Amino acid sequence: DAKTTQPPSMDCAEGRAANLPCNHSTISGNEYVYWYRQIHSQGPQYIIHGLKNNETNEMASLIITEDRKSSTLILPHATLRDTAVYYCIVRSTGFQKLVFGTGTRLLVSP
Amino acid sequence: GAVVSQHPSRVICKSGTSVKIECRSLDFQATTMFWYRQFPKQSLMLMATSNEGSKATYEQGVEKDKFLINHASLTLSTLTVTSAHPEDSSFYICSARDRMGTNEKLFFGSGTQLSVL
Repeated sequence: DAKTTQPPSMDCAEGRAANLPCNHSTISGNEYVYWYRQIHSQGPQYIIHGLKNNETNEMASLIITEDRKSSTLILPHATLRDTAVYYCIVRSTGFQKLVFGTGTRLLVSP
Repeated sequence: GAVVSQHPSRVICKSGTSVKIECRSLDFQATTMFWYRQFPKQSLMLMATSNEGSKATYEQGVEKDKFLINHASLTLSTLTVTSAHPEDSSFYICSARDRMGTNEKLFFGSGTQLSVL
């Protein structure tokens, strides 16, 4: 599976958009980009995933560059409850396991 | 969305005893479940892949005799930490793959905090 690189931490003001970057320069054509987050002492929560088109759901938007070598997760209006570790993972369809990197620790402040 | 129930959420045991953790998929059938462990301030580490009706596949460095995994039905997988020692104290998390889902998402339990005294 392709390796991902994320900044270790980011800060965001409550109510503002949080833009979390992820680099996956070795991604292959059949690999999707997945985003999960983990709030302290809980299991990870699925956020969104995509292949090459931008995706949006009730939680977030996922912007994937045209060359697919990087992506950005956007939380449009961050709240204090969005404080968590966000993991960007690339994996092909039919995957058997999900391997987590170190993620980005997002702190949303009042 | 799909729900994965993990029990217990917290357990304290004496060194040398065994502890069983249950992972259930509540509204879907999961042919595959995964077990992770997580130490404080670290990322999740995959321990093993559990397939219904067959032996689990363990990641390199994980002792299969220490961490017994049973996946006897499409909705239940168990992890038993045998002869637990203080170094086994960790946060254990299970996840399940919805075999009927088209989006190939994994759903996670809420985790079990194991403390071995």
